[in-house]
Amino acid sequence: GQQVMQIPQYQHVQEGEDFTTYCNSSTTLSNIQWYKQRPGGHPVFLIQLVKSGEVKKQKRLTFQFGEAKKNSSLHITATQTTDVGTYFCAAYTGTASKLTFGTGTRLQVTL
Amino acid sequence: NAGVMQNPRHLVRRRGQEARLRCSPMKGHSHVYWYRQLPEEGLKFMVYLQKENIIDESGMPKERFSAEFPKEGPSILRIQQVVRGDSAAYFCASSPGTDAYEQYFGPGTRLTVT
Repeated sequence: GQQVMQIPQYQHVQEGEDFTTYCNSSTTLSNIQWYKQRPGGHPVFLIQLVKSGEVKKQKRLTFQFGEAKKNSSLHITATQTTDVGTYFCAAYTGTASKLTFGTGTRLQVTL
Repeated sequence: NAGVMQNPRHLVRRRGQEARLRCSPMKGHSHVYWYRQLPEEGLKFMVYLQKENIIDESGMPKERFSAEFPKEGPSILRIQQVVRGDSAAYFCASSPGTDAYEQYFGPGTRLTVT
């Protein structure tokens, strides 16, 4: 079945450093979504990308969708402690429109 | 406008008991999804429902687990004869449609089986 892999699984950075997580699919995606889950919390929608090569920005966060629509990335510039959490990519798959989540990247930020 | 509501937030059950988890979607949302998350792991899709219909239950174990979304009232995920391996966080999400729609998650129910 559809698999969505993310790397790295875990990253520890110092505040102010940049961070990037990558999402890769074995098949072409119609769109991709990104979610953030704080420790002990629930996933919260961040953004959706639809077009090939699309780039969207939200303050210090930059999201990209690959030209072949098989991969995506999330880049955070100058991380802050509030960025701590796990970032998931997700894509709708299957005939019943099931949202498949990536394996997630856990970000730890220290002062 | 209330978000997705789940109750209880925490549930403790002994092995062999039944667990009932409830989810009220956001107002106007008719699509409900259930996910399971083990500690330090990702979200695993369990089941997708619309009002009175199970659309996709491919992620749900065939035994002991069932889900419903009646015409009136919340969606319910039912786990019979719980075992220790059922201990996890169970999240419900809702959306107004499929494919291009974001999902809104509830706070989750943390199930502990002793």
